[in-house]
Amino acid sequence: AQSVTQLGSHVSVSEGALVLLRCNYSSSVPPYLFWYVQYPNQGLQLLLKYTSAATLVKGINGFEAEFKKSETSFHLTKPSAHMSDAAEYFCAVSVGGGYQKVTFGTGTKLQVIP
Amino acid sequence: DAGVIQSPRHEVTEMGQEVTLRCKPISGHDYLFWYRQTMMRGLELLIYFNNNVPIDDSGMPEDRFSAKMPNASFSTLKIQPSEPRDSAVYFCASSQQGGGSPLHFGNGTRLTVT
Repeated sequence: AQSVTQLGSHVSVSEGALVLLRCNYSSSVPPYLFWYVQYPNQGLQLLLKYTSAATLVKGINGFEAEFKKSETSFHLTKPSAHMSDAAEYFCAVSVGGGYQKVTFGTGTKLQVIP
Repeated sequence: DAGVIQSPRHEVTEMGQEVTLRCKPISGHDYLFWYRQTMMRGLELLIYFNNNVPIDDSGMPEDRFSAKMPNASFSTLKIQPSEPRDSAVYFCASSQQGGGSPLHFGNGTRLTVT
């Protein structure tokens, strides 16, 4: 079975500070890993995904994540937070070829303080 | 492409009434998913289809919920009869074939059952 754990349901950072959102996964086979962002009253949007091509993955809006197999982690970072980054962020994992069951984490709400 | 389109955006109904939520996936996507999001339970997968065929409906709460996909461009989620505890935001998402394919979400339907 696959699962993801997001540490911290709420994270606050100052504008311009480093953003670090934590995600640990559990999977018996090599996983696909994703980060999604959800703005108020909208659906989830893909930020970035890991599909084994490279361990450091760059996404939209300056975000990136690093796959660390030894730590079973896929933490999301951004060097400098912007007010527009305030949203909820979800880590997700899926395994297998055509089988599409995606397991989402419980989400982390990011607050950016001016 | 217009993305995944859901209707209505908001639905307010009285307990006992039938509710039908609609979804138009992205053209060419083989998978369609229905999710429910609440504060208490987060994001829950209700059911998903592959090439219009229901594959896994184990997340459907009970017999009051049903979903159909009569063709590749349309799906419905029906609740009959509705109850206050069904109040949530319901998302439809679609994706292409392959475990590494990301989900594309609609903007959701916010359902309130009074």
